[in-house]
Amino acid sequence: GAGVSQSPRYKVAKRGQDVALRCDPISGHVSLFWYQQALGQGPEFLTYFQNEAQLDKSGLPSDRFFAERPEGSVSTLKIQRTQQEDSAVYLCASSQRVKPQETQYFGPGTRLLVL
Amino acid sequence: DAKTTQPNSMESNEEEPVHLPCNHSTISGTDYIHWYRQLPSQGPEYVIHGLTSNVNNRMASLAIAEDRKSSTLILHRATLRDAAVYYCILKTGNKLVFGAGTILRVKS
Repeated sequence: GAGVSQSPRYKVAKRGQDVALRCDPISGHVSLFWYQQALGQGPEFLTYFQNEAQLDKSGLPSDRFFAERPEGSVSTLKIQRTQQEDSAVYLCASSQRVKPQETQYFGPGTRLLVL
Repeated sequence: DAKTTQPNSMESNEEEPVHLPCNHSTISGTDYIHWYRQLPSQGPEYVIHGLTSNVNNRMASLAIAEDRKSSTLILHRATLRDAAVYYCILKTGNKLVFGAGTILRVKS
């Protein structure tokens, strides 16, 4: 079946520009996660949704970062007034249920470059 | 979040078994041990997970020490397609907390 998809795959933004990154999770998956991966490092957690509820946003680096999942399926990560340090790969993952043993399925990521 | 320690890199010959170690001395009773891998330019991919007992699946085996303070991911016959960064993660809640992982290089 279809996996997690993300769009765009690549985004170049000028510093100060707003960007929106989209994630389409696996159909029926309750949980959705966003991670940020800087070059040469492991992914870092940003935020977590259970259906439409954002239950954990402790990893969002600043108030310029905002995520939503209004209907409990597609999610958008928005970054306002982008800075060069926002350059990274943004990964989305989904899982079927809400348990620690649940597998997370990752999308290919969106590579953001801020000039 | 509980921490894991892995070697920075390892090298293996093709068609030979690979044992990737992970130390997690601060593991708690409710932590699951998860392994993910990340191939170049791709998102992480689930490999295997366990709680107390050793686990096998089509991709790999997971050997968990009796005290649960360490574990080993075993790839039975490494192929060139197994070259990736392998992450050992302790998971109690919902989020994954990645470390730096082990870069596995496979030589033909």
